[in-house]
Amino acid sequence: GAVVSQHPSWVICKSGTSVKIECRSLDFQATTMFWYRQFPKQSLMLMATSNEGSKATYEQGVEKDKFLINHASLTLSTLTVTSAHPEDSSFYICSVTGGGFSYEQYFGPGTRLTVT
Amino acid sequence: GQNIDQPTEMTATEGAIVQINCTYQTSGFNGLFWYQQHAGEAPTFLSYNVLDGLEEKGRFSSFLSRSKGYSYLLLKELQMKDSASYLCAAMDSNYQLIWGAGTKLIIKP
Repeated sequence: GAVVSQHPSWVICKSGTSVKIECRSLDFQATTMFWYRQFPKQSLMLMATSNEGSKATYEQGVEKDKFLINHASLTLSTLTVTSAHPEDSSFYICSVTGGGFSYEQYFGPGTRLTVT
Repeated sequence: GQNIDQPTEMTATEGAIVQINCTYQTSGFNGLFWYQQHAGEAPTFLSYNVLDGLEEKGRFSSFLSRSKGYSYLLLKELQMKDSASYLCAAMDSNYQLIWGAGTKLIIKP
């Protein structure tokens, strides 16, 4: 399957600052990447679908102006949490699909964001 | 609406067998996924079923009944490292994954 990396693996920031999280597909050209958020003891919540070269598709209830997604190349998507608040503290995970007729998603290791 | 139901938590003994059930309701259906997620880590892919029946992969097997909207994950010869959350996800007609809340499996020696 695809190998996906995320950077940073964890970050602590102050309220009001912005944080950028990178998601890289290391061995696969991903036209589509997904961004999820997971709160403690809860399941994955899809935030947005990131499409290379076009605007991301956000899920209902996710503020696109707060969570900026840029899919600049086939191997890199970034999520920027702007003006972060403590309630944005969560585990952010990206994934890519296998492509072709393979629908399984391969996940990055995740980024734990803590906003103080 | 679209919905996935699976038990919140299950407990089993090392060496035993456990079955984790999942029922789903989706707009259209393009397959059922099972993922394993250890605490603090990202999910890892276990299985994908799109046709009725049982798919066996080592100690793990997954079953699907499309007519019943039902799947289960069967884990045999349980090991302590199998302690994790197991996520069921159904793919709808738009190829979007609808995720269950996960089943936390606790393995006792």
